[in-house]
Amino acid sequence: NAGVTQTPKFQVLKTGQSMTLQCAQDMNHEYMSWYRQDPGMGLRLIHYSVGAGITDQGEVPNGYNVSRSTTEDFPLRLLSAAPSQTSVYFCASSLSGVTGELFFGEGSRLTVL
Amino acid sequence: GENVEQHPSTLSVQEGDSAVIKCTYSDSASNYFPWYKQELGKRPQLIIDIRSNVGEKKDQRIAVTLNKTAKHFSLHITETQPEDSAVYFCAASPSGNNDMRFGAGTRLTVKP
Repeated sequence: NAGVTQTPKFQVLKTGQSMTLQCAQDMNHEYMSWYRQDPGMGLRLIHYSVGAGITDQGEVPNGYNVSRSTTEDFPLRLLSAAPSQTSVYFCASSLSGVTGELFFGEGSRLTVL
Repeated sequence: GENVEQHPSTLSVQEGDSAVIKCTYSDSASNYFPWYKQELGKRPQLIIDIRSNVGEKKDQRIAVTLNKTAKHFSLHITETQPEDSAVYFCAASPSGNNDMRFGAGTRLTVKP
């Protein structure tokens, strides 16, 4: 069991570039989510999904897109990167939505110049 | 939506002392309150959680208390050890809503 796997671990982008952060889990969890972590602001929910084909917005969705074509994968797309999107991104999954333990990936550190 | 406030933002204690971190939440429909520990450069990991039908839960040196009337919950760590040094996050999740909100975090330092 690899758990939750995120790639890449580090990425540097220029303003206006697009990219996709990959997230995969092998625990057959229906619930998956993306958070961003900024100093002094905790973890803020970007998007989440309660199953394949279903996605919804969290607290800070602007500038990000997600899709969920399979149970295992939940990629996060930055459409046109901005310096404000410089952050550490965590993908997390859960067997029972947000009323159960969230299993986090190792994080992806993104810098937008 | 739910708003979670966490205090203090930093906490320094001597090894062996107790540490208490407090969180308040705004949505009275919230019914699940987890605590996550994040060591430097690592991913957050669940250390304890409590549901709204329980007032207190304990796991060895860690305990969580919940006051639904006042809408606050607290993490208590007794006999602190240097390996307890980390950032701790509280969170709250409203019933029927998959949008979990986290507090801003508390950086706990345990001095040997």
